[in-house]
Amino acid sequence: GIQVEQSPPDLILQEGANSTLRCNFSDSVNNLQWFHQNPWGQLINLFYIPSGTKQNGRLSATTVATERYSLLYISSSQTTDSGVYFCAASGGGAQKLVFGQGTRLTINP
Amino acid sequence: EAQVTQNPRYLITVTGKKLTVTCSQNMNHEYMSWYRQDPGLGLRQIYYSMNVEVTDKGDVPEGYKVSRKEKRNFPLILESPSPNQTSLYFCASSLWGGGGYEQYFGPGTRLTVT
Repeated sequence: GIQVEQSPPDLILQEGANSTLRCNFSDSVNNLQWFHQNPWGQLINLFYIPSGTKQNGRLSATTVATERYSLLYISSSQTTDSGVYFCAASGGGAQKLVFGQGTRLTINP
Repeated sequence: EAQVTQNPRYLITVTGKKLTVTCSQNMNHEYMSWYRQDPGLGLRQIYYSMNVEVTDKGDVPEGYKVSRKEKRNFPLILESPSPNQTSLYFCASSLWGGGGYEQYFGPGTRLTVT
């Protein structure tokens, strides 16, 4: 089945910095989503982005399906951006999402 | 508001005491599924349902049951919970089950089995 790898595993930044999180996947995908898991454990949908580029405020994402990777950009980081960011993908006819191991982002004031 | 709801959000129980975690969605989605999240193992699918009365096993179905009698509800049943089922559980839904549809996740249920 499809495999999803995220990098880096941990990222520590100062407030105001920009960051780029990467997600590599092993096969062609029909779904790719980015989530933010907040300190209470909730998974917050950030983007549904099997291909192309999307932006939502300070966050944007790009998926290059032909090269099997996706990037999540966070600009002007705030302490509330801290948490774990997950990339998840599905491929073929399956709807099951395969999750990466996550990137733990810590934003220090 | 379009959403997936789960209840309870937190539960502490004892080994062997049957419990049910409810999941409901108000988006008229055909596909629903359950995941569990464990440290070091990530999120893994337990069961899924393509539509009413159709359910199938995911990657880690042992010790769990599900039912899908109505489109909106997909309860997760632990007939005899054990400590290794202590986990964070998520219910999710999407419009269809054929792949390529955005999945919406519930807020999670944190279960502790002592």
